[in-house]
Amino acid sequence: DIVMTQSPDSLAVSLGERATINCKSSQSLFYSSNNKNYLAWYHQRPGQPPKLLIYWASTRESGVPDRFSGSGSGTDFTLTISSLQAEDVAVYYCQQYYSTPQTFGQGTKVEIK
Amino acid sequence: QVQLQESGPGLVKPSETLSLTCTVSGGSISNYYWIWIRQAPGKGLEWIGHIYYSGSTNYNPSLKSRVTISVDMSKNQFSLKLNSVTAADTAVYYCARAAAAGVYGWFDPWGQGTLVTVSS
Repeated sequence: DIVMTQSPDSLAVSLGERATINCKSSQSLFYSSNNKNYLAWYHQRPGQPPKLLIYWASTRESGVPDRFSGSGSGTDFTLTISSLQAEDVAVYYCQQYYSTPQTFGQGTKVEIK
Repeated sequence: QVQLQESGPGLVKPSETLSLTCTVSGGSISNYYWIWIRQAPGKGLEWIGHIYYSGSTNYNPSLKSRVTISVDMSKNQFSLKLNSVTAADTAVYYCARAAAAGVYGWFDPWGQGTLVTVSS
């Protein structure tokens, strides 16, 4: 199985400030045949199902605010929230779909400082 | 807009079989992968397995011996059966759809989830 490790486990950021979450995979998620990284990002608000934010490591899902951006390739990926809003308080997960079983990171809890 | 809704017993006895159904509305089961994921209380997300609308399946090896996922296109539903459950199977169970037709990658939409507790 591909192990996904996120850092930090939690972070507190002031409103309007940048939040950065890292995700590292135990093997490369890059397919050279299509030049794509098989990684997605979600956030999960309390009592809600996860919501898709980013796929192919950097493609923003329709309707997701542009303050969310994804970057990285191979084994190291980053989700950046450029200007944290109150509604961004959630747990954030990365997910690899390079191979089955598909696996998630352990989650990063984002709070307001 | 496709919506998913999980249904089934909220309480299952140890050693019995957990059975859940996901009803898809606003769209067809055809051409997509359909997924079951669970989340133990206070924990992260675990992929249980998926089924293609044609019926082909892929399960998490950690659960493979106990899991069956099936699809009923006539009812626009797919189902999960997990047998020989223990307290470790207590979790919120989500159904979801792969976001892109024919690709088992990222997931959207998700159902709201249903809590299943394993207890005597």
